Amino acid sequence: GAVVSQHPSRVICKSGTSVKIECRSLDFQATTMFWYRQFPKKSLMLMATSNEGSKATYEQGVEKDKFLINHASLTLSTLTVTSAHPEDSSFYICSAKDTDNQPQHFGDGTRLSIL
Amino acid sequence: DAKTTQPPSMDCAEGRAANLPCNHSTISGNEYVYWYRQIHSQGPQYIIHGLKNNETNEMASLIITEDRKSSTLILPHATLRDTAVYYCIVRVEFWGSGGSNYKLTFGKGTLLTVNP
Repeated sequence: GAVVSQHPSRVICKSGTSVKIECRSLDFQATTMFWYRQFPKKSLMLMATSNEGSKATYEQGVEKDKFLINHASLTLSTLTVTSAHPEDSSFYICSAKDTDNQPQHFGDGTRLSIL
Repeated sequence: DAKTTQPPSMDCAEGRAANLPCNHSTISGNEYVYWYRQIHSQGPQYIIHGLKNNETNEMASLIITEDRKSSTLILPHATLRDTAVYYCIVRVEFWGSGGSNYKLTFGKGTLLTVNP
């Protein structure tokens, strides 16, 4: 149980395009979903927290207009990197949980490369 | 935020128990300790969590000291597939748009290498 699916697993695109990443909870209702970013040989950094039907809460230094998060249902959240540039290239990982005291379960990540 | 301190790396022989330490001396009374691991190029995998009592599941055991200032994750019989970065995290409660919630702040973790 507690499976989180992330799609796509890898994407390569040109600078200036927007990229959408999907995160789905397959066997539970995700009250809260989280988006992280990880640079090579670095640890995960939390970008934002989203609750179903509410606006996302962004961490300090994360541009909300750059990284658009939508959590329209209890099983799906999306992260859109708008007007992506090479410095946005990174490993993006989502996680999801249901009730307050349940652990977060992570997707397998999306490797984004902007040329 | 309660911070954690872990050794950057450890080695373990295959079949032996791996004991991964973590210091969290500033932990508050109601803060949980979580352990995750990350195998290269994958998302983190949940292992175990606890508050005060020792915990055990099919993956590992978590031993928390009585003063809660440190904990040890035990993999009883390490295999080559247990080679990964292990993160010890103290979860932080916050009040957001959806009400009470918590977030995990990942540190640098411990790279455990299981050797044949």
